[in-house]
Parts: sequence; C-alpha cells; structure tokens
Amino acid sequence: QVQLVESGGGVVQSGRSLRLSCAASGFIFSSYGMHWVRQAPGKGLEWVAVIWNDGGKKYYTDSVKGRFTISKDNSKNTLSLQMNSLRIEDTAVYYCARDRSISGTYPIDYWGQGTPVTVSS
Amino acid sequence: SYVLTQPPSVSVAPGQTARIACGGNNIGSKSVHWYQQKPGQAPVLVVHDDSDRPSGIPERFSGSNAGNMATLTISRVGAGDEADYYCQVWDSTSDHVVFGGGTKVTVL
Repeated sequence: QVQLVESGGGVVQSGRSLRLSCAASGFIFSSYGMHWVRQAPGKGLEWVAVIWNDGGKKYYTDSVKGRFTISKDNSKNTLSLQMNSLRIEDTAVYYCARDRSISGTYPIDYWGQGTPVTVSS
Repeated sequence: SYVLTQPPSVSVAPGQTARIACGGNNIGSKSVHWYQQKPGQAPVLVVHDDSDRPSGIPERFSGSNAGNMATLTISRVGAGDEADYYCQVWDSTSDHVVFGGGTKVTVL
C-alpha cells in the first residue's frame, strides 16, 4: 500500500534552515509528481511546492519562492524540502503528498501524516 | 492569482443534505477536487475531476461544477461526516495548486 512518511520537522529559530524528508513506498516513485502542502495551526491547507516525476519542473507558492527548494531522489524514493531563511509565518504542519499523475496538475490522491515545523523568534 | 472562495461553515441536521460551495472565476473550465479533513488527520480525497469518486468513498458524496461555482454535496449526512472540506484546482496561468479556505461541516 502507498505510504508517505515525513521527517525532519522541529523547532527552529527565525532565519535558520531546516530540511524535511518524505520516504515513499508502495508505488513506483519515479512515475508520480509530488507536493508539499502545509497547514498553520487552526488554519486551512496551503500548497507549498510541486515537483514533476522526473524533477524536470518545479513550482512554488509565492511566499516561499527563493527560500524553499523541493527535490526528488528517485533512486532513494525520497522527496525533500530544503527550507532556508525561515520566518515565523512558516510555522505549520508540512504534508508530503502524491499527485495522481507524473505532473502536479491532477488531484492529490495520497497524503502523509505530516511533520510539524515551529519557527520561533 | 486565482482565488477559490468557500463559506466558513455549513450546518446540517442528521439525515439531511449538505451542500458546500466553492466559487472561482470561470471555475467551470477547471477540474475541481475535494478533500475531507477530520481533526488531527491528514486530508482525504473524496471527489476528483468535478464529480468522480475515488474507490472507497460512499456514493453519498457527489460533486458538480459549472460557471463560477463548484459544489460538493453530501447526502444523508451523519456524525461521521463532520469535518473540514477543501476544494482545489490547478491554475495553469500561474502554475500553482490553489486550495479554497475550507468549510467546516457541523452535524446538528
């Protein structure tokens, strides 16, 4: 069965960096686009970034562009999110999620359980 | 950027029908997906491509999309349907995934 397990979350000071990882199993990782979606405490879902199956295309929400980098290692079935220059408003639960297709333009059909990130001042 | 607008809350009596709106400029030209999220859990896809259901999702969940409004309909609502519901599209103009603000469904 499809499994997505995030790790790397924690408490970090504003301006510092953090790297999230997502271990994927139960499907052919190289055949799917992948997303990061976050949810601030008590708030709604916010899309963060997407990467095509082969890493050829990457897109970011405007608030993280230039600070966050999404990457995909198909040999290790791992999705990553490098987060630099963190801000207090980046505090959220971060979900790794699978797109239904090779791109990022279709529904998200599987989600991980999320990893919390807290940015403190 | 493209904006999806949902009502913050919808209340419905048990056994009745809940309708959750998702408004967007010419949303009828896009494919709309809906997610259910219960407290402390990850979201679950309940309707995709306007009106299709993933396997395992009850027929009570249905969707429609035309003009400037998409709608998720939940028939014969029960306590287990209490959750937040989010609509989502892909905006090809900005190459962004867009979520609506979410609607909390309360079963009276």
